[in-house]
Amino acid sequence: GAGVSQSPSNKVTEKGKDVELRCDPISGHTALYWYRQRLGQGLEFLIYFQGNSAPDKSGLPSDRFSAERTGESVSTLTIQRTQQEDSAVYLCASSLGAGAKNIQYFGAGTRLSVL
Amino acid sequence: AQSVTQLDSHVSVSEGTPVLLRCNYSSSYSPSLFWYVQHPNKGLQLLLKYTSAATLVKGINGFEAEFKKSETSFHLTKPSAHMSDAAEYFCVVSPALGWNTPLVFGKGTRLSVIA
Repeated sequence: GAGVSQSPSNKVTEKGKDVELRCDPISGHTALYWYRQRLGQGLEFLIYFQGNSAPDKSGLPSDRFSAERTGESVSTLTIQRTQQEDSAVYLCASSLGAGAKNIQYFGAGTRLSVL
Repeated sequence: AQSVTQLDSHVSVSEGTPVLLRCNYSSSYSPSLFWYVQHPNKGLQLLLKYTSAATLVKGINGFEAEFKKSETSFHLTKPSAHMSDAAEYFCVVSPALGWNTPLVFGKGTRLSVIA
């Protein structure tokens, strides 16, 4: 596609439910990133995929958060047993590769509201 | 460790006057630096990037930024503000050229443009 696509654009859920957020990166981009943006804050890194290497999960805030990516395509971020503090905009980005190619292009995000 | 500090959480300018958004960075390595802009309910858009080439970097929409190693600064400027420039601006550091790495975001500066 022309850009990074995320779905859904908005998600409202009840505390304790599981949610899945989807990201379609730009075709050909080997790297994919998930970030979280809380209200009025900058972005926090969550997890990073690079090709077939083991993902960098160092930013995941708890074991309720997990993500998968098949090859160099779609990624799914799953939050289990959601809590109110999980309410945020979840942003996905992809990039071509290393060095000067590491320009990250962002999707419009998924706004998650946990009631 | 890498970090960025955006010195102003909110800047307000009149239309047609200059814009200055301040950013200081800290990096253990020669950094790549970026400015991203986020319009309401839109994804992040790359304004410009510094990757150890020219220290004065020109971006889209008339913005530019100057990398000053001695001051560890990367301030964003524009000679004349336009109403459409009203948005949130993020200064971003990437730890090292040559790696695919998560970006480290500042907390953002909200730019208001008054008619």
